[in-house]
Amino acid sequence: RKEVEQDPGPFNVPEGATVAFNCTYSNSASQSFFWYRQDCRKEPKLLMSVYSSGNEDGRFTAQLNRASQYISLLIRDSKLSDSATYLCVVSDLSGGYNKLIFGAGTRLAVHP
Amino acid sequence: GAVVSQHPSRVICKSGTSVKIECRSLDFQATTMFWYRQFPKKSLMLMATSNEGSKATYEQGVEKDKFLINHASLTLSTLTVTSAHPEDSSFYICSAVRTNLWGEQYFGPGTRLTVT
Repeated sequence: RKEVEQDPGPFNVPEGATVAFNCTYSNSASQSFFWYRQDCRKEPKLLMSVYSSGNEDGRFTAQLNRASQYISLLIRDSKLSDSATYLCVVSDLSGGYNKLIFGAGTRLAVHP
Repeated sequence: GAVVSQHPSRVICKSGTSVKIECRSLDFQATTMFWYRQFPKKSLMLMATSNEGSKATYEQGVEKDKFLINHASLTLSTLTVTSAHPEDSSFYICSAVRTNLWGEQYFGPGTRLTVT
């Protein structure tokens, strides 16, 4: 079983749509969770951290369910510029440092 | 914000040669840097943790003699792919931690290696 699993997509949505991405992780001891965005042939960039209470940043809402080991990202009012691959990332501190475990990503394509 | 650079951004080399990739933190000191590899449509996979002034820590399955890491200063880590083969062709990305081992990782722009 992969440590971090995501639906690879692609999700093809029109502008203005609401889209939700899901992610599950296998290590119940994981402490920190993130969503990164990666554009084609570019490095990943931090989109937002995910907290147990859920958090929102503009059109983006992230939620964490520790009991189910499940993380979600909701994007409202999709823009063309949101087209990218969204990476679910979990940190593993067992080695004494903040090792990031990346999911394979969910591809989003927003069309006019 | 914190800036991390990589050089070169793209390199093509012949099978059997060695390639060195540099990762620099431009406006902060980084005691620890990380090296990742990403194959097309796959996850970023951590290869090794680069520690300034000491040996790198390699992830399981990564050959330390093939992927040489040197972290000679607080702003520079290098990854050398020795005796490169076509299967080493990949996107190599470094990251640096700004403050401590639990801080946010800032990623470099990546190096695309093609071995012919």
